[in-house]
Amino acid sequence: QVHLVESGGGVVQPGRPLRISCAASGFSLGTYGMHWVRQPPGKGLEWVAMTSFDGNQERYADSVKGRFTISRDNSKNTLYLQVKSLSSEDTAVYYCARENLLFGSGVLDSWGPGTLVIVSS
Amino acid sequence: SSELTQDPAVSVALGQAVTITCQGDSLLSRHASWSQQKPGQAPLLVIYRRDNRPPGIPDRFAGSSSGNTASLTITGAQVDDEAVYFCHSRDSSATHILFGGGTKLTVL
Repeated sequence: QVHLVESGGGVVQPGRPLRISCAASGFSLGTYGMHWVRQPPGKGLEWVAMTSFDGNQERYADSVKGRFTISRDNSKNTLYLQVKSLSSEDTAVYYCARENLLFGSGVLDSWGPGTLVIVSS
Repeated sequence: SSELTQDPAVSVALGQAVTITCQGDSLLSRHASWSQQKPGQAPLLVIYRRDNRPPGIPDRFAGSSSGNTASLTITGAQVDDEAVYFCHSRDSSATHILFGGGTKLTVL
C-alpha cells in the first residue's frame, strides 16, 4: 500500500531556512518521479517542484526558482524540499506527490496528508 | 497561456448528473487529470489522462475533452461527492504541472 508522509513544517520566521521531508513506503521511491505541491490557506493548489526518478532532472515553478531545492535519498525512500529563505507568501500546506508514468506523464496518483508551514514573525 | 480555468462553484441535486469543466491552451496538446479534495484531506486522483479511472474510483465519475476544454461528469451525485475538484495537466512544454483553481461541488 502506497503511503507518503510529510514532516518538518511549523512556524518559521521570515528569512529563515527550512527543510521538509516526505517519507515513502509501500513502493520504491527510486522508480518514480516525485513532486512538491503547495496550497496556501483557503486557496488552490500550486505546483512547486519535481525531481526525476534518479534525481538527475529537477524543475521548479518560477515563484520558487533559486530559493527552493528539491532532492531525494532513494536509499532512505525519502524526498526533501529545502528552502533557503522563507517569505510570507510561502505560507501553505506542502504536499509531496508521486508521478505515475503508467497513468501518464505528469499524473500524480498518490499524495501525502501534507505539512503546514506558517511564515510569521 | 499557462493557466487552467475552472468555475469556482457548482451545485447538483442529489442523484442528478453534474459536469465540471476546465479550460486551457495546454489541453490542446496535453491530457487532463482530475483530483477530488475534501476539507482537511489530501487530493485523491479520480480521473487520469482524460477519461481513465484509477482502481477503486466509482464508475459514476467520467472524464472527457473537446478542444481546449476537459470535463468531469458525475452521474448520480452522492453526498459523499461534495468536495473541491481540481483539474491538472502538464504544461505545453511538459516541464511544469498546471492546476486549475478548483470547483467546489455542493450536493443539494
